[in-house]
Amino acid sequence: GQQVMQIPQYQHVQEGEDFTTYCNSSTTLSNIQWYKQRPGGHPVFLIQLVKSGEVKKQKRLTFQFGEAKKNSSLHITATQTTDVGTYFCAGRTDKLIFGTGTRLQVFP
Amino acid sequence: NAGVTQTPKFQVLKTGQSMTLQCAQDMNHNSMYWYRQDPGMGLRLIYYSASEGTTDKGEVPNGYNVSRLNKREFSLRLESAAPSQTSVYFCASSLQGNTIYFGEGSWLTVV
Repeated sequence: GQQVMQIPQYQHVQEGEDFTTYCNSSTTLSNIQWYKQRPGGHPVFLIQLVKSGEVKKQKRLTFQFGEAKKNSSLHITATQTTDVGTYFCAGRTDKLIFGTGTRLQVFP
Repeated sequence: NAGVTQTPKFQVLKTGQSMTLQCAQDMNHNSMYWYRQDPGMGLRLIYYSASEGTTDKGEVPNGYNVSRLNKREFSLRLESAAPSQTSVYFCASSLQGNTIYFGEGSWLTVV
């Protein structure tokens, strides 16, 4: 069945450093979504990518969708303590399957 | 606008007990979902309802049943709770194929 893998599982960075999480699907996706979950909270939608090779930016966050529509990445420039949380990708074929998530810890 | 509301927020059950998690959304969404979240496992879909009157199994349906009571409400029932069902449960809703909105979660412990 469809699988969505995310790496790394954990990432600890110093405040101001960059951070990237990668998402890979076993099948071609119609779109991919990204969510952020703060500690103790619930996942909150960040963005959706639909087109092959698409790049979208939200302030310090840059999202990319691969040319083959099987992978995606989230890059955060100059992390802040407010970026702490778990970032999930979710790939859609006939269903939306969530990746395992990357937990980001930012040290001041 | 409450969004997705789920109850209870915390529950401790004994093995073999039954319980129902309630969920309601006020966004007029067609689709509703139940996920469970375990450390290192991400969010796994238990059941979903694409529209009122329909329900389908997700990745991990065993040990659970659901009811789509009406367009607003989607409940999850554990008939005979097991320790392996200790988890955080999230209800969610969406318009077909679009952004998923999650409830705040229900922390369930089965002892």
